[in-house]
Amino acid sequence: DIQMTQSPSTLSASVGDRVTITCRASQSITSWLAWYQQKPGKAPKLLIYKASSLESGVPSRFSGSGSGTEFTLTISSLQPDDFATYYCQQYNSYSWTFGQGTKVEIK
Amino acid sequence: QLQLQQSGPGLVKPSETLSLTCTVSGGSISSSNYYWGWIRQPPGKGLEWIGSIYYSGSTFYNPSLKSRVTISVDTSKSQFSLKLSSVTAADTAVYYCARPHYGSGYGMDVWGQGTTVTVSS
Repeated sequence: DIQMTQSPSTLSASVGDRVTITCRASQSITSWLAWYQQKPGKAPKLLIYKASSLESGVPSRFSGSGSGTEFTLTISSLQPDDFATYYCQQYNSYSWTFGQGTKVEIK
Repeated sequence: QLQLQQSGPGLVKPSETLSLTCTVSGGSISSSNYYWGWIRQPPGKGLEWIGSIYYSGSTFYNPSLKSRVTISVDTSKSQFSLKLSSVTAADTAVYYCARPHYGSGYGMDVWGQGTTVTVSS
């Protein structure tokens, strides 16, 4: 099974900060990686798919990069609505795995 | 716009079988571009993929749950269902249905509202 490791687990930042979250896969997943945002009591929301494609309706301050085993989610200028938990997720051979999550908190 | 509506009991007794259904509306459950999946989230914890099904009935399960999970599809009712047998307190979680979409690199672009399932006698 492919394992996904996110870092950091928690991130404290201020409005306007540039924020980067990293996700590592235990083996190559080429570009089959997605990023989600989840707020308390809500279902996750797809932000990025295929490592770097922005889902329709998602603000352009969100971006994704990487391939193979190392991926990043960047928020270029953190907004009040962005304080949430973020998950990466891989797809490989009919199996899906999520990272453990990164909580973005107000500094 | 496609929507997923979940239904099923919120309380299940230990050793019994958890059963949830997800109804697809606003689109076809039989599209070749989608899978249909179940994901859960224990209280205060992260997301765990349970399994997925294709409209043809092909199923794919998380190896850690495979022995207890059955996912099925009823295209005539536009529904897919989850059964998890021999539940324990560790199965207490919010359960979501979702749509892994080929066009989104099998990212899950549509989610159900979530069902809180508590395992308790």
